[in-house]
Amino acid sequence: EAQVTQNPRYLITVTGKKLTVTCSQNMNHEYMSWYRQDPGLGLRQIYYSMNVEVTDKGDVPEGYKVSRKEKRNFPLILESPSPNQTSLYFCASAPLPGTGGHEQYFGPGTRLTVT
Amino acid sequence: GENVGLHLPTLSVQEGDNSIINCAYSNSASDYFIWYKQESGKGPQFIIDIRSNMDKRQGQRVTVLLNKTVKHLSLQIAATQPGDSAVYFCAEVGASGNTGKLIFGQGTTLQVKP
Repeated sequence: EAQVTQNPRYLITVTGKKLTVTCSQNMNHEYMSWYRQDPGLGLRQIYYSMNVEVTDKGDVPEGYKVSRKEKRNFPLILESPSPNQTSLYFCASAPLPGTGGHEQYFGPGTRLTVT
Repeated sequence: GENVGLHLPTLSVQEGDNSIINCAYSNSASDYFIWYKQESGKGPQFIIDIRSNMDKRQGQRVTVLLNKTVKHLSLQIAATQPGDSAVYFCAEVGASGNTGKLIFGQGTTLQVKP
């Protein structure tokens, strides 16, 4: 089954404790992206990757890191989480933009709470 | 800054009626515009997209219209069904020539009354 998986689905942590949210896709997509969703603010792009070893900032990259060492994986790293990073996080993947469309497949989401 | 916004936060329609969800965008350089549907507790799901060189595109029960003159995008859903109840987001792709960057609107909640 074609899908994007995220782990963990739920996480409660404390300020300053480094964490990683994993994202994996099995569709051989070049493009992957991370978003956060907050009430009243919609979805905002954190980072995206057009291919292996290529990453770029979205609209809200501060406080986050990503890496793209393999095509299928795109982990989101919070080196020192803060309460304002409490949010619902989505990972998505798609064929390379501009190749005929931009149908992104989203993961199920990770709800992160930082206390 | 760049902004993609929706005109109405909530739209309530009767089952069987047609629904129209609107979206305004500000960046005329965007390549694609996309509509997503998000049901409660799930990730967004692609509905339909349209390239900037098109005015209209039809899918199954959905039509997207693009008016570049006034920077307006709309999603029309024919014969709305209870299963269409969700939050709908528009997104623009390729703002400022950057094809990897997406900007989402804040979303419109569609409520379908039986």
